[in-house]
Amino acid sequence: DQQVKQNSPSLSVQEGRISILNCDYTNSMFDYFLWYKKYPAEGPTFLISISSIKDKNEDGRFTVFLNKSAKHLSLHIVPSQPGDSAVYFCAAIVNNNDMRFGAGTRLTVKP
Amino acid sequence: DSGVTQTPKHLITATGQRVTLRCSPRSGDLSVYWYQQSLDQGLQFLIQYYNGEERAKGNILERFSAQQFPDLHSELNLSSLELGDSALYFCASSVDRLEDTQYFGPGTRLTVL
Repeated sequence: DQQVKQNSPSLSVQEGRISILNCDYTNSMFDYFLWYKKYPAEGPTFLISISSIKDKNEDGRFTVFLNKSAKHLSLHIVPSQPGDSAVYFCAAIVNNNDMRFGAGTRLTVKP
Repeated sequence: DSGVTQTPKHLITATGQRVTLRCSPRSGDLSVYWYQQSLDQGLQFLIQYYNGEERAKGNILERFSAQQFPDLHSELNLSSLELGDSALYFCASSVDRLEDTQYFGPGTRLTVL
């Protein structure tokens, strides 16, 4: 069952512009959300996370927004850089004992 | 370099066989996690061990089992292998909980023929 969905398999943006990656979830019991970045032939790398009691978390160029009523979170990257080109996974944790991932969105940042 | 090591990098085996994947966590991390990334199922959380004890269980098949040893390294055992078990298997480690920052190893690519 797909409890975490990333409906856009790919996204292409120009260097310097904003990248917005979206993620929807169905399980209202999820209490923690994370974003990971993955380059080919490497393991995922943690980017940023947010607790369900917050609606925004910022870390440098990365900001995650959580809309609990819409069961939606998004990752904003500003400004986008060519090195940001990777596959981005959103993930959700429930009760600190299960974790579900979206299918990933491939971001391409063009110079 | 995440500090998490996994061996072997690649593994090719036949259906019905059994394999063991190995993971060494980052120094100081007590939790080890196993994940499977396959083409049709995406990235899936399998299991977490904390300081030698199983702590959380995800979509792990009964044919799969894991353990964490006193030196904190972990092994994932896959038995009665099927074609559909072909995937990338990642190990990650963190200080304690699932919510903590996890550091992923480079993965083991398993091919079942």
